[in-house]
Amino acid sequence: DQQVKQNSPSLSVQEGRISILNCDYTNSMFDYFLWYKKYPAEGPTFLISISSIKDKNEDGRFTVFLNKSAKHLSLHIVPSQPGDSAVYFCAASARGATNKLIFGTGTLLAVQP
Amino acid sequence: NAGVMQNPRHLVRRRGQEARLRCSPMKGHSHVYWYRQLPEEGLKFMVYLQKENIIDESGMPKERFSAEFPKEGPSILRIQQVVRGDSAAYFCASSSGGGNSPLHFGNGTRLTVT
Repeated sequence: DQQVKQNSPSLSVQEGRISILNCDYTNSMFDYFLWYKKYPAEGPTFLISISSIKDKNEDGRFTVFLNKSAKHLSLHIVPSQPGDSAVYFCAASARGATNKLIFGTGTLLAVQP
Repeated sequence: NAGVMQNPRHLVRRRGQEARLRCSPMKGHSHVYWYRQLPEEGLKFMVYLQKENIIDESGMPKERFSAEFPKEGPSILRIQQVVRGDSAAYFCASSSGGGNSPLHFGNGTRLTVT
């Protein structure tokens, strides 16, 4: 039972344009959401997070949007840079289990120069 | 390097052997988590430990797998009598405590069972 779903295995974007990565979840107990970025042969690196009491959080070129009614979140990267090319994982945790993260299967982002 | 250190980076074991994976958390972090990534899948939670205590092992397979985080030294994930299905990347993460402090991951140990 995949509680966190990333339905796009890959995404290709031109440098300078916006990248939008999507994530859906099924568990209404999730109240904290994170995005991690992963390069080959490295561990995931924390990018940005959002609590369920918010609907948007921004950090530089990265913005995460949360739509609780649709159980959907998205990560916007603008402008996209070639160094952003990596696998992006969406993760969620439930109240009382904040670091027991449930990960999606990842989306491979390729930013073309 | 003050990050999460995992070793070895690559480990090859024959079926039936034991695998020991080590993790030293970031300096100042006393919470350690182990995750496993099977091919083509996301990371899956295995176990959460604090010094000398297992807090949550709900993601650990019931047999052959064990984890510890002793008072001194690294956290160890031990897999006895490995099988081909244990082949995966095993990631350790640490955090400074509760709340929503983000996890910092190591670069993982890639276990291959032949």
